[in-house]
Amino acid sequence: GAGVSQSPSNKVTEKGKDVELRCDPISGHTALYWYRQSLGQGLEFLIYFQGNSAPDKSGLPSDRFSAERTGGSVSTLTIQRTQQEDSAVYLCASSLSPGSGNTIYFGEGSWLTVV
Amino acid sequence: AQRVTQPEKLLSVFKGAPVELKCNYSYSGSPELFWYVQYSRQRLQLLLRHISRESIKGFTADLNKGETSFHLKKPFAQEEDSAMYYCALSGQGAQKLVFGQGTRLTINP
Repeated sequence: GAGVSQSPSNKVTEKGKDVELRCDPISGHTALYWYRQSLGQGLEFLIYFQGNSAPDKSGLPSDRFSAERTGGSVSTLTIQRTQQEDSAVYLCASSLSPGSGNTIYFGEGSWLTVV
Repeated sequence: AQRVTQPEKLLSVFKGAPVELKCNYSYSGSPELFWYVQYSRQRLQLLLRHISRESIKGFTADLNKGETSFHLKKPFAQEEDSAMYYCALSGQGAQKLVFGQGTRLTINP
């Protein structure tokens, strides 16, 4: 596709339910990132995939959060037993490869509201 | 560890006035610094990067390693500059991009 695609664009879920957020990066991009954007917290790094290397999970806030990337392309971020503090915009981004010469491109985000 | 600090959450200036958005960083090696911008109802996008030494939409940013800063400047603000601005840092090699908390810039007519 022309850009990073994320789905769903909006999700309202009840506290305690599990949610899955999907990211389809730009074709050929080997690096994929997940960030969380919430009021007052800025852009919080969650997880980073680069090719076949082990992902950098250092930003995941708790063990309720997990992500996978199948076949080096599509990624799914899963939040188990959602809490109200999980409400935020979840942004996915991709780049051709990591490093200073490569711009990262963001999707439009998935707005998650936990009620 | 990589860390980016943007001390101002909100910044408001009048059209035609100079604007400076502050960014300080912490990183033990040689960093790559970036500014990203998010206009209303648009995606987050790259504004400029320090290695390019470029001016985009009248904005410039100079990396000051002594002060560990990468402030974004524009001599004459325009109303269309109103947006959320994020400073970001990438470490050497295949490193993740770490963002500051962002500054919401409002240009008043």
